[in-house]
Amino acid sequence: NAGVTQTPKFRVLKTGQSMTLLCAQDMNHEYMYWYRQDPGMGLRLIHYSVGEGTTAKGEVPDGYNVSRLKKQNFLLGLESAAPSQTSVYFCASSPGLAGGWSQETQYFGPGTRLLVL
Amino acid sequence: EDQVTQSPEALRLQEGESSSLNCSYTVSGLRGLFWYRQDPGKGPEFLFTLYSAGEEKEKERLKATLTKKESFLHITAPKPEDSATYLCAVQGPGGYQKVTFGIGTKLQVIP
Repeated sequence: NAGVTQTPKFRVLKTGQSMTLLCAQDMNHEYMYWYRQDPGMGLRLIHYSVGEGTTAKGEVPDGYNVSRLKKQNFLLGLESAAPSQTSVYFCASSPGLAGGWSQETQYFGPGTRLLVL
Repeated sequence: EDQVTQSPEALRLQEGESSSLNCSYTVSGLRGLFWYRQDPGKGPEFLFTLYSAGEEKEKERLKATLTKKESFLHITAPKPEDSATYLCAVQGPGGYQKVTFGIGTKLQVIP
């Protein structure tokens, strides 16, 4: 049981390049999230998904796109990278209890460090 | 807007020296308050969820408490392996996407 895994672990991009970050979970969780963590700031939600085929915007979605074609995978795309997107990106998943909102315990991956030059 | 303020930003303790970390929050209708531990270069690791004022939870040397305005993470007789950044987060009535994280308290326990 690997939990939440992320690839790649580290990447350097030039301004304007594109890339996709992959998140995979083997806990059969319904909900998945992408966060970014910057020095001096708390984790900020970029996009999230409440189930296969669904995505929604979080707090800081500009410049990012996501897809959830399979329940276990959540992809984060940068179409045209900018230096402001230099950050550590974390994927998380949570069970997604039935019956409406719930307090969701989130399980995080190890992170992807992205440097945009 | 939901807010989470953690103090102190950094804390240095001698091994065995007990202390507390503070998480002050502002949220209209708290659904849950979370504590996470984050080691350098790794993702946050879940510790506790507290749901209502007066609730307490314990795990080994850690004890989390909750009031209507703040939460404390008490560390009793810490060991060097407790060194990490401790994150606090709150969930408001907006649901799963409305979790607000604090910046964290960086704890260093010296042998």
